[in-house]
Amino acid sequence: DAKTTQPTSMDCAEGRAANLPCNHSTISGNEYVYWYRQIHSQGPQYIIHGLKNNETNEMASLIITEDRKSSTLILPHATLRDTAVYYCIVRVVYGGSQGNLIFGKGTKLSVKP
Amino acid sequence: SAVISQKPSRDICQRGTSLTIQCQVDSQVTMMFWYRQQPGQSLTLIATANQGSEATYESGFVIDKFPISRPNLTFSTLTVSNMSPEDSSIYLCSVAGLAGQSSYNEQFFGPGTRLTVL
Repeated sequence: DAKTTQPTSMDCAEGRAANLPCNHSTISGNEYVYWYRQIHSQGPQYIIHGLKNNETNEMASLIITEDRKSSTLILPHATLRDTAVYYCIVRVVYGGSQGNLIFGKGTKLSVKP
Repeated sequence: SAVISQKPSRDICQRGTSLTIQCQVDSQVTMMFWYRQQPGQSLTLIATANQGSEATYESGFVIDKFPISRPNLTFSTLTVSNMSPEDSSIYLCSVAGLAGQSSYNEQFFGPGTRLTVL
């Protein structure tokens, strides 16, 4: 079973920031938080990942709470092309190996004009 | 990033038959995976394709139903055997550990194969 909880769906106005929450209250010390998204009829796309510090890349920002029990993915200026299902996944990382990606149901984000 | 292609992109098959799906990557990768996405559902990991040895299957999936080959670092096949309508899904190939990278942090997915079983 997935170890994360996400809202089923969210709406966001085009041009606004989209803030997608994720709860992972049972996360352990060797687990990272990953975000992927799946646009309709395509394979999932990697967005960002982090351990405990906030992370930012060209696609999004990831804010992880100090206790690591929850996180928020931020799309700073959502466009219609950001409409997709967003998956928050916790994944074991130890030594030189990573655990498998286990997908939950995700959040369906609809960006509206 | 890795460019992943899958063949066929879609197919309609009769029950009781088998279909082999091919996954080709444009660079050598350490890890290759096969996922299933049933209609309206999330992705489920079927197995990890291991080069030179038998695939590692997740709970609920068996080699007789989903035989997997991985002859080299850029290619893998998944066969869906003795198909039934319940096998109608999208099957996705995924890779991690690109040559020259020290970690598997990024995992890339192919476009998927849409299978309909009548």
